[in-house]
Amino acid sequence: DQQVKQNSPSLSVQEGRISILNCDYTNSMFDYFLWYKKYPAEGPTFLISISSIKDKNEDGRFTVFLNKSAKHLSLHIVPSQPGDSAVYFCAASGTSYDKVIFGPGTSLSVIP
Amino acid sequence: EPEVTQTPSHQVTQMGQEVILRCVPISNHLYFYWYRQILGQKVEFLVSFYNNEISEKSEIFDDQFSVERPDGSNFTLKIRSTKLEDSAMYFCASSKLQGEGEQFFGPGTRLTVL
Repeated sequence: DQQVKQNSPSLSVQEGRISILNCDYTNSMFDYFLWYKKYPAEGPTFLISISSIKDKNEDGRFTVFLNKSAKHLSLHIVPSQPGDSAVYFCAASGTSYDKVIFGPGTSLSVIP
Repeated sequence: EPEVTQTPSHQVTQMGQEVILRCVPISNHLYFYWYRQILGQKVEFLVSFYNNEISEKSEIFDDQFSVERPDGSNFTLKIRSTKLEDSAMYFCASSKLQGEGEQFFGPGTRLTVL
């Protein structure tokens, strides 16, 4: 039962260009959507979140867009830097303290 | 910046042995969680804990698992009789009472069951 899907297992982007990571979900009861970044052998690092009442949230180089009707969200990283190379997990939860359900992740490589 | 810490970073044990994984959540957080990630698979929820009791647990969290907050700072996960399939990275996380769902994760404990 994949409630959170990330259909691209990997993505390569040139340094300085935009990285767009996509995510789809199936459960319309999710209220919060989150993006985490993970390096090998480390824990997930929280990047940015968005609640279901918004359609955009921005924090520095990171912007998350939410399209509730399509049950789709995306993370934009502009400009991409080599240090952004990591696995990015899309995640969702029902409340502000509910369990987080993770997608399978997208491995981003930013090429210098 | 406050962070979640976990010990040990790596635990090797024999099948059937008991292990205790330890976590120190962020000090002003009230919700605590354990997740695990088997190699090559997704991060999976195990259990959430609030106000000294379990709020929710997954199907994975069977009678072999237990959690405890023995004092004001530590949060532990005990596996009573480890199986080979318990080998995974175990992550502790914590969150505030109010926020936008963000949970902050520790660096993980790699559990290897031989």
